[in-house]
Amino acid sequence: GQQLNQSPQSMFIQEGEDVSMNCTSSSIFNTWLWYKQDPGEGPVLLIALYKAGELTSNGRLTAQFGITRKDSFLNISASIPSDVGIYFCAGQLAGNTPLVFGKGTRLSVIA
Amino acid sequence: SAVISQKPSRDICQRGTSLTIQCQVDSQVTMMFWYRQQPGQSLTLIATANQGSEATYESGFVIDKFPISRPNLTFSTLTVSNMSPEDSSIYLCSVAGQLGNTIYFGEGSWLTVV
Repeated sequence: GQQLNQSPQSMFIQEGEDVSMNCTSSSIFNTWLWYKQDPGEGPVLLIALYKAGELTSNGRLTAQFGITRKDSFLNISASIPSDVGIYFCAGQLAGNTPLVFGKGTRLSVIA
Repeated sequence: SAVISQKPSRDICQRGTSLTIQCQVDSQVTMMFWYRQQPGQSLTLIATANQGSEATYESGFVIDKFPISRPNLTFSTLTVSNMSPEDSSIYLCSVAGQLGNTIYFGEGSWLTVV
């Protein structure tokens, strides 16, 4: 089946630093989604991208849908301790179909 | 976005027993999905819960082990049958938004099988 390659697997950064993570796929997706999962919680949607080339921001978060439709990145600027968690990318081939997930990026922020 | 409630949120289950997880959505949704997240892993799709018909299972998941009901457009259940320690996971209900291209998740049901 389809798989997403998400990197890095984990990151340790200082508070205030910027963070970048990305996902690549061997096949095309028509929607890219980024989620954050805190311990003991379900994934929470951060940003949804629907068009190739689209660049979308949500506060300190910025995500882009790659032109080839096979990749996406998520940037977090000026990280803070509450950014700690696991970030997942997910691709959707068509509307009303299930998602394919990356393996996650575990972010640790050192105050 | 839809509000998704799952019950139970956590449970400790005896080996060999079965547990049914409920998922309630605050609005009618076309598509509902069930995912499993094993400890330290990503999310894996179990099945698509179809309203009024049998669920569509992914490779590696079977109806006898994970029976699913979807009696209406706001509710679904997932049963984990004859549990073993390998079934210890988070089970997550998710729904597609109105346009079908945004997927929301419940808070998950954390099962530990002893």
